[in-house]
Amino acid sequence: GENVEQHPSTLSVQEGDSAVIKCTYSDSASNYFPWYKQELGKGPQLIIDIRSNVGEKKDQRIAVTLNKTAKHFSLHITETQPEDSAVYFCAASCALYGNKLVFGAGTILRVKS
Amino acid sequence: EAGVAQSPRYKIIEKRQSVAFWCNPISGHATLYWYQQILGQGPKLLIQFQNNGVVDDSQLPKDRFSAERLKGVDSTLKIQPAKLEDSAVYLCASSLVSENTGELFFGEGSRLTVL
Repeated sequence: GENVEQHPSTLSVQEGDSAVIKCTYSDSASNYFPWYKQELGKGPQLIIDIRSNVGEKKDQRIAVTLNKTAKHFSLHITETQPEDSAVYFCAASCALYGNKLVFGAGTILRVKS
Repeated sequence: EAGVAQSPRYKIIEKRQSVAFWCNPISGHATLYWYQQILGQGPKLLIQFQNNGVVDDSQLPKDRFSAERLKGVDSTLKIQPAKLEDSAVYLCASSLVSENTGELFFGEGSRLTVL
């Protein structure tokens, strides 16, 4: 089945700097790639997603890029703020496996003020 | 709009005991999911319902885990007997679309500690 690897596992940045989290997936048939943010004691919340027919998508300070050839996608957060501190998960789904979402292991982002 | 409701938020039990978790999805969401999130890992799908039918339960340990979604709304997840490795947060999620290529709305989770 699909396998998603995510790195780094932890990331510390200074407030105002950019943060980049990278994920790789194993199945070239995967076609949907969401990113979820999980704050302490809460469930994951979708922050941005991208489909395989698009190379990049932006929403204010966050952007996601997809490289289908290399089978990797990345989350970019610019002008980080303390409230961006959370755990971020990437995920991928593939129609071959019933569109089941497979999550990465997560990245703990700490924004220092 | 009310979110996904889960209870209890926390549960501590001894191994070999049983436990049940309850989930009420967002009104009108036909698809409901139960995920297991072990500390330091991403959520892993246990079971997916479409209305009250099971779509995917391939990763549900059926010798000890069971889930039902009567009347296509609320759902319960049961573990009996519990093992130490079942310690995790159990997340319920719902979505409007039947396929996973859409936003999942998660509840706050039920944290289980098995001693």
